[in-house]
Amino acid sequence: QKEVEQNSGPLSVPEGAIASLNCTYSDRGSQSFFWYRQYSGKSPELIMSIYSNGDKEDGRFTAQLNKASQYVSLLIRDSQPSDSATYLCAVIPGNTGKLIFGQGTTLQVKP
Amino acid sequence: DTGVSQNPRHKITKRGQNVTFRCDPISEHNRLYWYRQTLGQGPEFLTYFQNEAQLEKSRLLSDRFSAERPKGSFSTLEIQRTEQGDSAMYLCASSLEIMTVVTEAFFGQGTRLTVV
Repeated sequence: QKEVEQNSGPLSVPEGAIASLNCTYSDRGSQSFFWYRQYSGKSPELIMSIYSNGDKEDGRFTAQLNKASQYVSLLIRDSQPSDSATYLCAVIPGNTGKLIFGQGTTLQVKP
Repeated sequence: DTGVSQNPRHKITKRGQNVTFRCDPISEHNRLYWYRQTLGQGPEFLTYFQNEAQLEKSRLLSDRFSAERPKGSFSTLEIQRTEQGDSAMYLCASSLEIMTVVTEAFFGQGTRLTVV
């Protein structure tokens, strides 16, 4: 079982719709969770972090964490073509300090 | 502070040669990570430092790879006897650990290695 799993996609949504990106992780003791966006040929850029159960909102982005289900998601409201990118979920497992990434989900927002 | 800086941005080398990459983290950050990324994959963890101490190294990393972070500031990643399979983007990131809480990690622009 991979430590962090994401559906590679592509996920295709129309402009203005809500995009929902999902991630599961294997270490129940994980405490820190992050979402990054990566455009082709560029390095990952941080979108947001979440540390406790529930929702965290930042502009058009909402991160959701459910530690009981070992599940973290990212919602993008009013999706724009400029949101088309690969979205990476990252987790710091509880038994180690390393930051582990999923394989990423490719999002395509169609005008 | 201008963020995480990596040098060089691009490196082309012949198979069998040694290469070294440098990463300068955000100045107040005490954690530094190295990753390798190939097309269509997420960043693959290589190693990380807490200050000058190398706390973990991926089991997938061969003995040809070594990393250092002298004095807990910049870090270098060396690949000895490069192979074509080493061709990838090498990413560095830094973050801050305060009282066991690790803050967000920020990435440099990466070094793209091509082994010919």
